[in-house]
Amino acid sequence: GENVEQHPSTLSVQEGDSAVIKCTYSDSASNYFPWYKQELGKRPQLIIDIRSNVGEKKDQRIAVTLNKTAKHFSLHITETQPEDSAVYFCAATGDSNFGNEKLTFGTGTRLTIIP
Amino acid sequence: SQTIHQWPATLVQPVGSPLSLECTVEGTSNPNLYWYRQAAGRGLQLLFYSVGIGQISSEVPQNLSASRPQDRQFILSSKKLLLSDSGFYLCAWTGVSSTDTQYFGPGTRLTVL
Repeated sequence: GENVEQHPSTLSVQEGDSAVIKCTYSDSASNYFPWYKQELGKRPQLIIDIRSNVGEKKDQRIAVTLNKTAKHFSLHITETQPEDSAVYFCAATGDSNFGNEKLTFGTGTRLTIIP
Repeated sequence: SQTIHQWPATLVQPVGSPLSLECTVEGTSNPNLYWYRQAAGRGLQLLFYSVGIGQISSEVPQNLSASRPQDRQFILSSKKLLLSDSGFYLCAWTGVSSTDTQYFGPGTRLTVL
């Protein structure tokens, strides 16, 4: 089955600087890679996702890059703000037509933005 | 638009008592449904998922069970709770394809004393 590793587990960044979180996956058949943000006591919320037919996707201050050859993908947050403080989870999944109906999540990164 | 509900929002139960958590989805048909547990400060542990009525796949053998009596209803149960069952229980759904976005419900915070 799929295995997703996420690094670092904690990350502190000065407000205004950039933050990068990296994930690797094991199943070369995986083709969908979402990122979730979870604030304290709340549900995880999708912030950005990428499919294997593209290498990069941006949404304002957030971007995700995918390297299928190396089987890793990264979340980039620029111009960080205090409200970016949260736990971030990466995930990967393949095609449900081949019996893969579930996301495999990374272990999470606690991001703290220092004012 | 689609909405996912969970109840109760919080629950405090004694060790050895039964459990029933309910999740319902509105605005979609034949969703894939998922139960996750999150211990305090930890990641998301997939417990069960279902691709249709009566179809349940278990990820982690333990004292929990799941049922899907209706297309948009998913229930998590236990006959006897353990202290280690404490956590934040999240229901989630996707469309028919696993590569559709997965949306989480608001969660149930369970404390077993």
